[in-house]
Amino acid sequence: TQLLEQSPQFLSIQEGENLTVYCNSSSVFSSLQWYRQEPGEGPVLLVTVVTGGEVKKLKRLTFQFGDARKDSSLHITAAQPGDTGLYLCAGGWQGGSEKLVFGKGTKLTVNP
Amino acid sequence: EPEVTQTPSHQVTQMGQEVILRCVPISNHLYFYWYRQILGQKVEFLVSFYNNEISEKSEIFDDQFSVERPDGSNFTLKIRSTKLEDSAMYFCASVANTGELFFGEGSRLTVL
Repeated sequence: TQLLEQSPQFLSIQEGENLTVYCNSSSVFSSLQWYRQEPGEGPVLLVTVVTGGEVKKLKRLTFQFGDARKDSSLHITAAQPGDTGLYLCAGGWQGGSEKLVFGKGTKLTVNP
Repeated sequence: EPEVTQTPSHQVTQMGQEVILRCVPISNHLYFYWYRQILGQKVEFLVSFYNNEISEKSEIFDDQFSVERPDGSNFTLKIRSTKLEDSAMYFCASVANTGELFFGEGSRLTVL
């Protein structure tokens, strides 16, 4: 069973602080996706990384895929209250079927 | 912007009853999925569907579950005889040509 472990599980910070959340696995994935999920809604895709060592930036969010394609990180610079939410990582395999394995998520709260 | 729509948003049912959850995927997408999320737990893959047949299913997707695309637009998940442990959010998703997975807002199923 492929498992994705996310850490920390909960994170509460003040507006303006930086933070990093982690997604780790013993399995190799062909792609790693990060989602954000609001209460009562479905996950919304933020980014997909597919190449080992890849770094992608989305405004204040920086995503990195580990060289061995087993882990990933999400770094948020100068967090804002609007960043509050559940951040999920999900690993996928090639083959046409997007069966994703999700982590349990990091629940981020940014206090004003 | 096209979106995946799901109905009902919330259904309460008695144990042993049949439930049908409905999804309208984005029109030009070819792969469709059902995922579920038990409260406080991770998003779990149930089944993928392509070309009018199941392409992959998880251990969770036992004989009590079935999927159908009856009319070319709706994609349904049926649970024949619900159990208490079937209480969860059920998410439908479809995949764009880019590989991006679009999730619906989910159907909350409560089994009493």
